[in-house]
Amino acid sequence: GQNIDQPTEMTATEGAIVQINCTYQTSGFNGLFWYQQHAGEAPTFLSYNVLDGLEEKGRFSSFLSRSTGYSYLLLKELQMKDSASYLCAVRDGDYKLSFGAGTTVTVRA
Amino acid sequence: IAGITQAPTSQILAAGRRMTLRCTQDMRHNAMYWYRQDLGLGLRLIHYSNTAGTTGKGEVPDGYSVSRANTDDFPLTLASAVPSQTSVYFCASSEGSNQPQHFGDGTRLSIL
Repeated sequence: GQNIDQPTEMTATEGAIVQINCTYQTSGFNGLFWYQQHAGEAPTFLSYNVLDGLEEKGRFSSFLSRSTGYSYLLLKELQMKDSASYLCAVRDGDYKLSFGAGTTVTVRA
Repeated sequence: IAGITQAPTSQILAAGRRMTLRCTQDMRHNAMYWYRQDLGLGLRLIHYSNTAGTTGKGEVPDGYSVSRANTDDFPLTLASAVPSQTSVYFCASSEGSNQPQHFGDGTRLSIL
């Protein structure tokens, strides 16, 4: 089976930085996705990493290290609207994603 | 507006009844997926389809069936619903295997 771990909850202050870690042990690896999901809504795509290194997209960045099975999502200049669940998902075979349980981030004023 | 439409939005169903969740996309994506999302477990893949006419089993396929008669539609059927199938069901689609998946708004299903 697949094993994808991420913290259950994180809390941070508006304007601060938060780093959400994701570790994975999967049978094969063909890329890692991060999704954002607000309560009661559908997940929406944030980032995709297939090679080692950092991908930056505005206030959000995602990092991947394939040799250690590790990724993180970095959220900078936190805003209240960033309060949501963040889902780490590994593509371990063609067309199939395995998701972590998600990290709920609460941004406080 | 292009996207994925799921119906119904929510449903309460008696155990033992048959139920079909509908999913339609207008983006002409080749691949489509059904997930269930349960508290503390995250999204789990039920069934998927790489292209019209083909389907495959995901992580938790038992008790569910799908069909893919055309590119746009991917219905999920519960032949005889059981309480453990109470969940939020999401349909998704993607253009290719390395492309992001786009999700519908979900169907909240309660089996009593």
